[in-house]
Amino acid sequence: GDSVTQTEGQVALSEEDFLTIHCNYSASGYPALFWYVQYPGEGPQFLFRASRDKEKGSSRGFEATYDKGTTSFHLRKASVQESDSAVYYCALGSNYNVLYFGSGTKLTVEP
Amino acid sequence: NTKITQSPRYLILGRANKSLECEQHLGHNAMYWYKQSAEKPPELMFLYNLKQLIRNETVPSRFIPECPDSSKLLLHISAVDPEDSAVYFCASSQEEGALYSGNTLYFGEGSRLIVV
Repeated sequence: GDSVTQTEGQVALSEEDFLTIHCNYSASGYPALFWYVQYPGEGPQFLFRASRDKEKGSSRGFEATYDKGTTSFHLRKASVQESDSAVYYCALGSNYNVLYFGSGTKLTVEP
Repeated sequence: NTKITQSPRYLILGRANKSLECEQHLGHNAMYWYKQSAEKPPELMFLYNLKQLIRNETVPSRFIPECPDSSKLLLHISAVDPEDSAVYFCASSQEEGALYSGNTLYFGEGSRLIVV
C-alpha cells in the first residue's frame, strides 16, 4: 500500500545550519507529495507540494525535489532560524482520497 | 488559519456526549475529520464530499459524523473512552479524489479532547 517514511524522528540544529529531512515514499504511479509544518497548538500547515518527477516545490526558504528514481522528496533549507522549530511532515496523496503522513520530524533550532 | 474554524478548542469530558463543530470559508467541496494522538501524525477518520460520506475509516461507532451543508461538519461523540483523548482536526480541500494529483488539504486549529 501507499506509505511515506521519514528517517529522522528529531533533528537539533543551530541557527544558520543547513537542514535536510529525508522522506521516501512507496506508491504506484506519480502521486502528489507534500510537506506540512505543525507548530505547537496548531493544525498542520501546507508548506508546498510537487506532482511530477523532477518538479521542485518551495516555500519560506524550504525546498524539495520530487525524485521518482529514488522515490524521495527530501526537505532542505540552507540556513535555519529559531522560528523554524516545529514538526515537519512529509505526506503523499493517494488514489483513494487519503493523505498519508509520515511519522514526522521534530526540528529544534537553537539560537 | 481563520478560514477553517473549529469549536470548542478545548474539551474535558467524562463519559458524556458532546459534539465538535467545524466551518470552512474556503468554498471547498470536501471536508474531513482527522485524529491526532500525542506524538503521532494525523490519521483520517471521515471524508465528506458535497455532503456525502465518501470514506469512513475504522472508527469506533461512538463517533458519528454529520455534514449539514458543504461548509459545515460535525462530529458527535458519545460515551467517550480514555483512548479518545487526542486533538481532532477538521480539514477541507477543493474536491475529493484529487489529493493524488496535488489538490491541497487545509487544516483547522483543532479541538483538543481530554477524557477524564
